[in-house]
Amino acid sequence: DIVMTQSPLSLPVTPGEPASISCRSSQSLLHSNGNTFFSWYLQKPGQSPQLLIYFDSNRASGVPDRFSGSRSGTDFTLKISSVEAEDVGVYYCMQGLQTPYTFGQGTKLEIK
Amino acid sequence: EVQLVESGGGLVQPGGSLRLSCAASGFTFSSYWMHWIRQAPGKGLEWVSRLNTDGSITNYADSVQGRFTISRDNAKSTLYLQMTSLRAEDTAIYYCSRDLAGSRDSWGQGTLVTVSS
Repeated sequence: DIVMTQSPLSLPVTPGEPASISCRSSQSLLHSNGNTFFSWYLQKPGQSPQLLIYFDSNRASGVPDRFSGSRSGTDFTLKISSVEAEDVGVYYCMQGLQTPYTFGQGTKLEIK
Repeated sequence: EVQLVESGGGLVQPGGSLRLSCAASGFTFSSYWMHWIRQAPGKGLEWVSRLNTDGSITNYADSVQGRFTISRDNAKSTLYLQMTSLRAEDTAIYYCSRDLAGSRDSWGQGTLVTVSS
């Protein structure tokens, strides 16, 4: 199974400040079609998860442009340029390359 | 607007069975692979199963293999998860989710399954 390792697990952030979450996969997530099957999700308190980023760097429809994703090899990063109060929740990374699809442990972002 | 609405959760005794449903609307259901993903209380996300567009290809997590069966009725735009031989560790919120470009672009609100005597 592909193991997804997130860090940090807890992230206190001051509103207006940037934030960064990392995720490392235990193997390459590059598909034969040239895309990287990696995505980021946000689960706000009391809600279902919502897609933020797919193919490691493409924002999903309706996602604010303060969210961005990048990749270096098997290391992935989600950046929030300027954190807002509505960004609180748990962020998960996920590999969609092969079953069993696996998620990171989650990073809880809270406002200082 | 894409909508996924799960139902069928509840309290069941260990060893019991339950069938979950996920009613889809707002998109051409028969064109999408679909998934079940669960979340134990206070825990992270765990992928459970997936199904291709015509129901001919299924995959399961090892933890549910042989006990759970995923299926769909494209005429009713509904996804199902038949769960048997339920265990305490199956207690979770179960979400159905649509597959798009290897990601899960839409999620339902979830249905809670509690396995307890």
